[in-house]
Amino acid sequence: DAGVIQSPRHEVTEMGQEVTLRCKPISGHDYLFWYRQTMMRGLELLIYFNNNVPIDDSGMPEDRFSAKMPNASFSTLKIQPSEPRDSAVYFCASRLAGDHTDTQYFGPGTRLTVL
Amino acid sequence: DAKTTQPNSMESNEEEPVHLPCNHSTISGTDYIHWYRQLPSQGPEYVIHGLTSNVNNRMASLAIAEDRKSSTLILHRATLRDAAVYYCILRDVGDNYGQNFVFGPGTRLSVLP
Repeated sequence: DAGVIQSPRHEVTEMGQEVTLRCKPISGHDYLFWYRQTMMRGLELLIYFNNNVPIDDSGMPEDRFSAKMPNASFSTLKIQPSEPRDSAVYFCASRLAGDHTDTQYFGPGTRLTVL
Repeated sequence: DAKTTQPNSMESNEEEPVHLPCNHSTISGTDYIHWYRQLPSQGPEYVIHGLTSNVNNRMASLAIAEDRKSSTLILHRATLRDAAVYYCILRDVGDNYGQNFVFGPGTRLSVLP
């Protein structure tokens, strides 16, 4: 299995531009999570989906952030308009319901820099 | 979520055992203890988890105190590739699959050649 795939790996954009981050979870996994990691705040959950349905988006910082999961194999996290404080590494993770180890499998992350 | 406390950083020499402590004095009876680690420039990865008994796998061992208020992740022979941030996380087994893992600052392990 290829694991969780994220694209792009690096993104540099200017303030005010729209940014779209992409994630392909591990095939067959029921849960998908979006995390953000910064030096100041560490690793924090933004939103998660179960069977393509958003369950908890309380971690989404503000309305500029939106996430979708149109099917079981694809999710996007969009920031519009982007701001310098959005600069961070964004991770996607997936998990299989019923896995007794409760393991989340993380992708390699997207490093976003907003100038 | 019950909180965990870990040292900010630790050092080890290569090929020596490493004991990474975690305090979780407010742990509940249904909390599993999970350990993840994050290698440089990578996402976190699962290491090991347990409930009450000590656990071993190919990566590490987990020693859980009898009162469950603390645990220790043991790397039997540290290698340079084990240099990472190690996170100790509590996860309620009764949670309806919904909760995320709450990652604290973790312990940054440095391995010296």
